[in-house]
Amino acid sequence: GAVVSQHPSRVICKSGTSVKIECRSLDFQATTMFWYRQFPKQSLMLMATSNEGSKATYEQGVEKDKFLINHASLTLSTLTVTSAHPEDSSFYICSASLGLGEKLFFGSGTQLSVL
Amino acid sequence: RKEVEQDPGPFNVPEGATVAFNCTYSNSASQSFFWYRQDCRKEPKLLMSVYSSGNEDGRFTAQLNRASQYISLLIRDSKLSDSATYLCVSFPGDSGGSNYKLTFGKGTLLTVNP
Repeated sequence: GAVVSQHPSRVICKSGTSVKIECRSLDFQATTMFWYRQFPKQSLMLMATSNEGSKATYEQGVEKDKFLINHASLTLSTLTVTSAHPEDSSFYICSASLGLGEKLFFGSGTQLSVL
Repeated sequence: RKEVEQDPGPFNVPEGATVAFNCTYSNSASQSFFWYRQDCRKEPKLLMSVYSSGNEDGRFTAQLNRASQYISLLIRDSKLSDSATYLCVSFPGDSGGSNYKLTFGKGTLLTVNP
């Protein structure tokens, strides 16, 4: 099946620093990728839809200036958490699908801990 | 009303038990449905798609009732390895035809005990 690679798997950083998370589709081209955040014992919450070659679409309540998304190629999307704070500590997961309404393939997730 | 609602759980069952999860969705135009399982601190993994006619994969049976906007997952002869959170997922579709967003339920935690 399709493979989505995400790294790093775990990041511990100081408050105020920026963290970049990469998401790659390894064996297919993904014009659209999705970024989710999941707090403990909560469901996945869609943060933004990353579109190759254009601006990302952010969900309501998600700060676009804080969570920078770049989707420069058909196989790579990056999420940068700028000026991270402890409340940004969460599990971030990317995903991609093969097409409209198709099942999603997920990256392995990044556990971000901001001290 | 939330777009996708699941049994809150948690479910604690003995090995070998049959367990059923229920899920309702609010958007009658939803087009695709899936069940994912998620282990703690791991990414969700597709368990099965759900079709109108119902589908079975080994010990797992998924059913969709469009009239009642209801999805179910039945696990028979549960194993210890079935312990996970089960996520009900719908694709709500979009009138613009370009919405790829899947909507996740909150998930139901299943623990299978020896």
